[in-house]
Formats: sequence, C-alpha cells, structure tokens
Amino acid sequence: GNSVTQMEGPVTLSEEAFLTINCTYTATGYPSLFWYVQYPGEGLQLLLKATKADDKGSNKGFEATYRKETTSFHLEKGSVQVSDSAVYFCALMDMGRRALTFGSGTRLQVQP
Amino acid sequence: KAGVTQTPRYLIKTRGQQVTLSCSPISGHRSVSWYQQTPGQGLQFLFEYFSETQRNKGNFPGRFSGRQFSNSRSEMNVSTLELGDSALYLCASSPGTVAYEQYFGPGTRLTVT
Repeated sequence: GNSVTQMEGPVTLSEEAFLTINCTYTATGYPSLFWYVQYPGEGLQLLLKATKADDKGSNKGFEATYRKETTSFHLEKGSVQVSDSAVYFCALMDMGRRALTFGSGTRLQVQP
Repeated sequence: KAGVTQTPRYLIKTRGQQVTLSCSPISGHRSVSWYQQTPGQGLQFLFEYFSETQRNKGNFPGRFSGRQFSNSRSEMNVSTLELGDSALYLCASSPGTVAYEQYFGPGTRLTVT
C-alpha cells in the first residue's frame, strides 16, 4: 500500500536559518504530492503541491521538488521566521482512490 | 471565496451515544472527504463523497457513516461512540474532477467520556 515517511521532530531552528524537512514515499503509479501545514488549534492548510516528476511546488518561500528516482519530496525554506512554527505534513494522493495518505508530521519550532 | 466550514467546532459526548458532524465545502466544490486525526494514528482517511455518492471508503468500522446533500454539504455520523473515537475530525473540499487538491476546514474536536 501507499505510505509516507517524514523525519522525526521536533526540528528547532533559529530565525533566518535554512530549513529542510525530509519526506519519502512508497506508492504504486504516479501519485500527486503535497505539503500541508497545521497551526495550533487549526485544520490543515495546503502549502504546496506537485503532480508529476521533476515538478517544483512553491509557496510563501517554501519549495519542494518531486523526485521520482529517489521517491522524495523534501520541503525547504531559505530563511525561516518565528511565524513558520507549526506542524508540517507530507502527503500523497492516490489518484484512483482520491484519498490522501499522510506522513506522521514534523513539528517545527523557530526561536527568535 | 469562503473556505470550508465545519460545525460544531467542539463536542463532548458520552460512550454509547451517537454524534453528527457537519461540513460545508467551498462554493463550487463537489467532493467532500473526511479524515480522523489522533495523536496515536495520525491522519486517516474515512470516506469521500462526490455528487451525493460515496466514492471511496477508508478502513473504519460501520459505525462511521456519512452522506452528502444536493448542495454538496456533507455530514458524518458516528454511532455507539467509544473512547477511542475521541479525535479531531477534518473535512476537506475538492473540485473533484481534473483538480484533486483538497482544502481543509478547521475541524471538529470530539471528546468521548
């Protein structure tokens, strides 16, 4: 079946540091890949997406590239802010079932 | 456009009771999916509705059910509540055709005592 593996958190960084959150997946076919962010007490916000190999999704300074050869979709940001503190979820969509499979989430804490 | 709305936001129920949660999707979206989020199991897919029909179902017992109305609003019902049903229930809205990205509501926090 499909699965998504994310790096364990929490990830603690100082403001303006470089961020990488690793995500790898296992899936049959060609899933679409997503990053979602969840702030305390809220639902999930779609951060970015990529629908095919070598696509790069980007939004609000975050980027991730769909790497089919390494089955990865790592999230990066060049300079994090305190306001980026949240839980980040990597997910894939099985286009046959139209259901998202999520990783376990990575908590990011950015210190001023 | 208004986002996905879910009601109620918080709910406390007793074991054995049943509960109904409501979701209004983004205007024009025809697909509604439901997910359960718990600390132990993470985010798990419950089911998806499109044009009033259940298209897909996750691996949950029959106590979990849902429906969708002609205006795309959806409800999910959990009967005979168990302590383990305590969770954040998230509704996600999607155009449902061509574009499948899902947009989530704020969730309903259900506590079963």
